[in-house]
Amino acid sequence: EVQLVESGGGLVQPGRSLKLSCAASGFTFSDYYMAWVRQAPTKGLEWVASISYDGGSTYYRDSVKGRFTISRDNAKSSLYLQMDSLRSEDTATYYCTTDLSTLAYWGQGTLVTVSS
Amino acid sequence: EIVLTQSPTTMAASPGEKVTLTCRASSSVSYMYWYQQKSGTSPKLWIYDTSKLASGVPNRFSGSGSGTSYSLTISSMETEDTATYYCQQGRSYPYTFGAGTKLELK
Repeated sequence: EVQLVESGGGLVQPGRSLKLSCAASGFTFSDYYMAWVRQAPTKGLEWVASISYDGGSTYYRDSVKGRFTISRDNAKSSLYLQMDSLRSEDTATYYCTTDLSTLAYWGQGTLVTVSS
Repeated sequence: EIVLTQSPTTMAASPGEKVTLTCRASSSVSYMYWYQQKSGTSPKLWIYDTSKLASGVPNRFSGSGSGTSYSLTISSMETEDTATYYCQQGRSYPYTFGAGTKLELK
């Protein structure tokens, strides 16, 4: 059974940093691109970033470029999102997903709240 | 960036009623993906490659479309179908989602 378990969310002040993690199991992690998708409270879904099989290629939405860094450790079947210079508009539940154009598997999400 | 426009924003359907949700893209895409999200839970892949049902999706659901116009159809509405449905394009980054259609029971 595919499992994606996110962790690392919490309350953080504007301008500070936070690192999210996603532990994957039940599939060959290195066979998948991976992505982070977020959802602000009561809002829709928003793709944040994706990373290629070996981490050699990364993709970001414009609003997080230069502030967020997606990375992976295939040996640990883990995905990460380093979030720096956080803003109030980054407040959302962050989901880890597999990415093969379609986002087939999703974690339960981790809530990030940016507030003073 | 490809903009996806879903309609309607919300709708209510009676049990047994046929339901059609639409998604229009600002540029042509080869495939459309649909997700179902129930309140307080993670989204689930519902339809992939425009018309293929994800595992466990009832066959009263179907997907169709091409180019810039796509749809998700429920042949006969059931109570368990109440949810928000999102379309998504994976043709190119940035991936984009529609704003969602909230489907309620009448």
